[in-house]
Amino acid sequence: DTAVSQTPKYLVTQMGNDKSIKCEQNLGHDTMYWYKQDSKKFLKIMFSYNNKELIINETVPNRFSPKSPDKAHLNLHINSLELGDSAVYFCASSQGRRDLNEQFFGPGTRLTVL
Amino acid sequence: EDKVVQSPLSLVVHEGDTVTLNCSYEVTNFRSLLWYKQEKKAPTFLFMLTSSGIEKKSGRLSSILDKKELFSILNITATQTGDSAIYLCAGTPEKGAGSYQLTFGKGTKLSVIP
Repeated sequence: DTAVSQTPKYLVTQMGNDKSIKCEQNLGHDTMYWYKQDSKKFLKIMFSYNNKELIINETVPNRFSPKSPDKAHLNLHINSLELGDSAVYFCASSQGRRDLNEQFFGPGTRLTVL
Repeated sequence: EDKVVQSPLSLVVHEGDTVTLNCSYEVTNFRSLLWYKQEKKAPTFLFMLTSSGIEKKSGRLSSILDKKELFSILNITATQTGDSAIYLCAGTPEKGAGSYQLTFGKGTKLSVIP
């Protein structure tokens, strides 16, 4: 029944590793997002995909690469992890129509880079 | 660059008190303003406001938007300990690819003590 799900919920890894976070939504939405929430709880958008096409790509290091195999999935791959990547990453989805901006969030993935 | 500013950043009240949380925004081609409540995990949606002066209400929570002065308030009456959370405000623009993008404020951390 989960609307937006992410795996894993917790990820602890060493600097320099490559890791992926997966996101799936079963709401039939056509737009998905990745947000990063830092230690001060500030939520900042990273990427947005609409119908598998990248439409927002904020200033994010190119070590971060989103991949959308279909409109229900948006995965985030991170290469060469750095200490500053430690944060909670939230996936979200919305119906993408102009009058429906409500975004539904996944439970978050807490990434800790050691 | 779009900006959303919330105040206060944190607030401690006693159960039964009424609180008002503030959100001011500068969003190019503004479309709507959203309020979210974030407890331990993902933000959960509270309100979406598009029209000025129309109050939205849900139980003890209510919110209103002033598009002339570019701000919104979230009121919580008869607060309970379960209202303790971070309240996030986000603005979204009207046109183009940016219409999918929320710009979040830093949040107001509300603590309700018995």
